[in-house]
Amino acid sequence: EPEVTQTPSHQVTQMGQEVILRCVPISNHLYFYWYRQILGQKVEFLVSFYNNEISEKSEIFDDQFSVERPDGSNFTLKIRSTKLEDSAMYFCASSEGRSRPTPDTQYFGPGTRLTVL
Amino acid sequence: AQTVTQSQPEMSVQEAETVTLSCTYDTSESNYYLFWYKQPPSRQMILVIRQEAYKQQNATENRFSVNFQKAAKSFSLKISDSQLGDTAMYFCAFNDQTGANNLFFGTGTRLTVIP
Repeated sequence: EPEVTQTPSHQVTQMGQEVILRCVPISNHLYFYWYRQILGQKVEFLVSFYNNEISEKSEIFDDQFSVERPDGSNFTLKIRSTKLEDSAMYFCASSEGRSRPTPDTQYFGPGTRLTVL
Repeated sequence: AQTVTQSQPEMSVQEAETVTLSCTYDTSESNYYLFWYKQPPSRQMILVIRQEAYKQQNATENRFSVNFQKAAKSFSLKISDSQLGDTAMYFCAFNDQTGANNLFFGTGTRLTVIP
């Protein structure tokens, strides 16, 4: 069964460094998402991406964040200058998006644990 | 604004027993989906079950079923014949036709299955 994959599973970085989190969505899906979960808190939406552009973003997704689909398979989240409070689990998700405007199901990757020291 | 509320931070159940996790939501939309996701200690988010708001019949997936009360905006998850592998954090989530289909999550219920 197709699944969303994410790399790396754990990333440790120094404050102020740039990090790139990578995701490979399910191949026939059209919508891609990033969510964040700070330890002990609920999952929060960051950004959605469709047709090679951002479809929607939350207040969390400020200028330090960017997303890109550099090729036909990868979907990346870049944090330009990491802060301590960026430490969290980052989940990528994808959905078919063919039934719009009817909502569709999002399938999540296993997450990348980002630790900012 | 859409909100999802899970009022039970923690629950426990004896193995083989049945447990129900509560979830309420608030929306002015008429067409939406509701989901239960499971997050085991590995922290991966796994889809358990989903419910389309326009369907009156409650969704069922093996030992997992929902009680969807649209008028009350309630969406509870029933786990029958609980197994040790059901121990996890369970998140209720919601999305609708507005915006880009992003999910709104509740704060989660930590379920422990006791042998």
